[in-house]
Amino acid sequence: AQSVTQLGSHVSVSEGALVLLRCNYSSSVPPYLFWYVQYPNQGLQLLLKYTTGATLVKGINGFEAEFKKSETSFHLTKPSAHMSDAAEYFCAVRRGVGAQKLVFGQGTRLTINP
Amino acid sequence: GAGVSQSPSNKVTEKGKDVELRCDPISGHTALYWYRQSLGQGLEFLIYFQGNSAPDKSGLPSDRFSAERTGGSVSTLTIQRTQQEDSAVYLCASSFDRSTEAFFGQGTRLTVV
Repeated sequence: AQSVTQLGSHVSVSEGALVLLRCNYSSSVPPYLFWYVQYPNQGLQLLLKYTTGATLVKGINGFEAEFKKSETSFHLTKPSAHMSDAAEYFCAVRRGVGAQKLVFGQGTRLTINP
Repeated sequence: GAGVSQSPSNKVTEKGKDVELRCDPISGHTALYWYRQSLGQGLEFLIYFQGNSAPDKSGLPSDRFSAERTGGSVSTLTIQRTQQEDSAVYLCASSFDRSTEAFFGQGTRLTVV
């Protein structure tokens, strides 16, 4: 079975500071990994994804994530937080080619302090 | 359409009534998913369609929940005899096939009173 753990249900950073949202997964086969963002009263928007190839992936809004197989992690980072980054972030895993459902972590609510 | 469309956006219903939630996926997307998002439960997978068939309905919480998809396009999630614990946001997503990223609709907020 596959699962996703997001460390920290709430993260608060100051505007301009580094954003680090943690995600660890368990999967018996190489996974496909995703980060989604959800703004209030909206659906989920894809930030970035890792399928194969380069382990450092860049997404929208200045976010990036690095797939580390040895650590089974896919942490999301952004060098400098902006007030508009305040939202809920979800890490998700799909168990490789041919897999069906996305399994989501519990989400991390990011707050940006002025 | 340009994105995944869900209707209604909000639904308030009385306990015991049946409700239907609709999802219009992105044109050409063969895979369609329903998720439920409620406080404290995160995003729960309900059912997955590939075309008109549902090879994985393992997340449907009870036999009061059912879903269908017709013409490889529109899907309807039906909840019979609604209960208060069914109150949640129901999200639909579609993807080109089962190995690519999923695109989500805005969701239907269901409130059972």
